[in-house]
Amino acid sequence: EAGVTQFPSHSVIEKGQTVTLRCDPISGHDNLYWYRRVMGKEIKFLLHFVKESKQDESGMPNNRFLAERTGGTYSTLKVQPAELEDSGVYFCASSPRDNYNEQFFGPGTRLTVL
Amino acid sequence: AQSVTQPDIHITVSEGASLELRCNYSYGATPYLFWYVQSPGQGLQLLLKYFSGDTLVQGIKGFEAEFKRSQSSFNLRKPSVHWSDAAEYFCAVGVNTGGFKTIFGAGTRLFVKA
Repeated sequence: EAGVTQFPSHSVIEKGQTVTLRCDPISGHDNLYWYRRVMGKEIKFLLHFVKESKQDESGMPNNRFLAERTGGTYSTLKVQPAELEDSGVYFCASSPRDNYNEQFFGPGTRLTVL
Repeated sequence: AQSVTQPDIHITVSEGASLELRCNYSYGATPYLFWYVQSPGQGLQLLLKYFSGDTLVQGIKGFEAEFKRSQSSFNLRKPSVHWSDAAEYFCAVGVNTGGFKTIFGAGTRLFVKA
């Protein structure tokens, strides 16, 4: 069984540019989560999808961040325009429908904004 | 507010020595508790989890953790550390918000010396 995959593994962009991160959850997992770790600080929750619906987006830092999950399969996280403080590692996780607690994490996307 | 504290930013132990990583949490209800490990270049891997029942839980790679409600702690232990255990370890609490999110501690980086 394939795990959670994320693309790209690394991204280097300049301030003001747009970047789109992609997450493919484990097949059949209704729950999908985004987290990020900025500058060696805590890993922070961004949002939680149940299928294509945003269940909890309380962690989204501002309106430069847009997450989508059309069709309830893969998800994208777009940062537009990117700022220096957005640099960090963005993790995606997924879990089965009835088991929120068993989250499986992807390898992360390391984003560097110059 | 929910929070997780890992008081040790980094720890160095000799190979073969025992290990204990500390974790304290703050959460009003019965917590779902986790320990994750991130090796260099890898994603987050679940070591073990506690939901209910026996307060001493066994995990992968020879790790165990003990839930102590009176101390709000969930310390991670291993009797004999191997060089391959060098990594960053994250304690986390799962929170039901109508959705679900995981709140992480800041992490403890483990160094293993020969």
